[in-house]
Amino acid sequence: GAGVSQSPSNKVTEKGKDVELRCDPISGHTALYWYRQSLGQGLEFLIYFQGNSAPDKSGLPSDRFSAERTGGSVSTLTIQRTQQEDSAVYLCASSLQGLRGNQPQHFGDGTRLSIL
Amino acid sequence: QQQVKQSPQSLIVQKGGIPIINCAYENTAFDYFPWYQQFPGKGPALLIAIRPDVSEKKEGRFTISFNKSAKQFSLHIMDSQPGDSATYFCAASGNTDKLIFGTGTRLQVFP
Repeated sequence: GAGVSQSPSNKVTEKGKDVELRCDPISGHTALYWYRQSLGQGLEFLIYFQGNSAPDKSGLPSDRFSAERTGGSVSTLTIQRTQQEDSAVYLCASSLQGLRGNQPQHFGDGTRLSIL
Repeated sequence: QQQVKQSPQSLIVQKGGIPIINCAYENTAFDYFPWYQQFPGKGPALLIAIRPDVSEKKEGRFTISFNKSAKQFSLHIMDSQPGDSATYFCAASGNTDKLIFGTGTRLQVFP
């Protein structure tokens, strides 16, 4: 399809394990965002990639969280040594040029992460 | 100053009613105010957005009212339908590409 694709849709893992979450943005979109949505809460900004610029990592909650974007397309969010408080839905969004270019963000359906 | 405060947390209306969701912000640098609609198990989808140069924007049954002096904006859903039952998020952005989201309003529309 033409939308933002995230995988896996669900992930259950044991506390202390590392996890990788993948996001395939809409083709041609230069901006890519990661958010975290805890149960019944709003969306918490994590990290933002725009073209070849250095990513805005200001929302990452700890050094256990990292993300990369290869070739300006696919992005991977990695959480090391997972903790139970990391349980949430992780959402990825992309946009054509970013908000400064008046372009809206298009969201994927998220990865529901459960830490046992 | 970076927060967006959203109310109410939940809202129940009957079909045909006009639910109103309110948001308030502090940061005067914010200049883009979108509303997102989220169904269970799905990602948020952009519904409607406004910039502060207008006080109202209407798209179909959805209207944003914007009060720059009060730093408040609201979403009105005209002739609400059961299919509008979802969680609604307001958001704001300023001189960056980051969106600051409200905490969401769960709307239930009963037949």
